[in-house]
Amino acid sequence: EAAVTQSPRNKVAVTGGKVTLSCNQTNNHNNMYWYRQDTGHGLRLIHYSYGAGSTEKGDIPDGYKASRPSQENFSLILELATPSQTSVYFCASRMGSNSGNTLYFGEGSRLIVV
Amino acid sequence: GQQVQQSPTSLVLQEGENAELQCNFSTSLNSMQWFYQRPGGSLVSVFYNPSGTKQSGRLTSTTVIKERRSSLHISSSQITDSGTYLCAMEPSGSWQLIFGSGTQLTVMP
Repeated sequence: EAAVTQSPRNKVAVTGGKVTLSCNQTNNHNNMYWYRQDTGHGLRLIHYSYGAGSTEKGDIPDGYKASRPSQENFSLILELATPSQTSVYFCASRMGSNSGNTLYFGEGSRLIVV
Repeated sequence: GQQVQQSPTSLVLQEGENAELQCNFSTSLNSMQWFYQRPGGSLVSVFYNPSGTKQSGRLTSTTVIKERRSSLHISSSQITDSGTYLCAMEPSGSWQLIFGSGTQLTVMP
């Protein structure tokens, strides 16, 4: 079973502060993703990566950066956090982009920006 | 507009009743998946179902790609089925998964 681990699980940040959400997967998956989940919106894709060194913009990338320094790790960075970024963030991974490769999710990181 | 429309938004059942969840897609798609999310928890894949009907225990998924729709049927619901069910589509020409807003299911004793 694929393992995707997120940290921190809970975070309270100050407006204007920097926040880094980390994600680690141990199954050598190529593709990794960051989503946010808000009531009424389902999951929305922020950034994704095809492999180490690559980052791509998703549907709602504004205010976020991403970093994929290795196959295992994918970080989401909020340089200047705002209250509108209060949400639950999920990291996910899958082997490739071919249809049939299911997505494995982490447990989520709950961020509150005050 | 939203590419993935889920209905109903919420559903309350008595234990033992059946549930029918729907997903409609506004664009052509390669495949779709159903996910289950426990309250406050992570998501797990329930079905990968690009077309046709698949069954796993009390759960049955039917996808009609040409009509851009999929359904998830839960028979003889149990309290442990409570949670949020999300569908996600993989649009044609893209590898991304686009999610619906989910159906919140509550099964009462």
